[in-house]
Amino acid sequence: SYELTQPPSVSVSPGQTASITCSGDKLGDKYTCWYQQKPGQSPVLVIYPDNNRPSGIPERFSGSNSGNTATLTISETQAMDEADYYCQAWDSSTGVFGTGTKVTVL
Amino acid sequence: EVQLVQSGAEVKKPGESLKISCKGSGYSFTTYWIGWVRQMPGKGLEWMGIIYPGNSDNTYSPSFQGQVTISADKSINTAYLQWSSLKASDTAMYYCARLKSWSSSHMDYWGQGTLVTVSS
Repeated sequence: SYELTQPPSVSVSPGQTASITCSGDKLGDKYTCWYQQKPGQSPVLVIYPDNNRPSGIPERFSGSNSGNTATLTISETQAMDEADYYCQAWDSSTGVFGTGTKVTVL
Repeated sequence: EVQLVQSGAEVKKPGESLKISCKGSGYSFTTYWIGWVRQMPGKGLEWMGIIYPGNSDNTYSPSFQGQVTISADKSINTAYLQWSSLKASDTAMYYCARLKSWSSSHMDYWGQGTLVTVSS
């Protein structure tokens, strides 16, 4: 089965840039998006192809996808961005989520 | 306003059956897919499967094929996730979410989640 691997955790200082990677075979050829989940809340879509943000998602969230790696970038990170982040792609007509990354804003 | 409202928390015993629901409003329910996602305690998101309420076409993740049944009643804008015989390992939060298509799409609206606890 298809697997998407993310680093378990990323730490970032307020105002700095956080980069979260998602690795999978030929991921750059697949429809890939990103979700944010804060404790006790439902996931929220933050990025979908091609680097689009839903209404209400700040411009500091951006995404890229090439080769075997997709990257979610959070510029000028704020305390409110502390959350778990999941990538998601499609393989053989079923969705797959990444392993998830906890972003800590120190 | 698009909304997905899920049924309330459930406490069940192993071996019991269960059907939880997800009611959509504020959009054309029959022209979007509904997906189900599992999140076990302290763990990540897992894709279970999706259904198209317009004709009840569905697909399951291989991990969940045969373990659950996804259905929909378009007359009442509601999708369902059901188990015929629960196990303790089914204890989790279950989310429904909306998708525009079945293979190249994203989950743009999510329900609030239904917590299922299975314990003897």
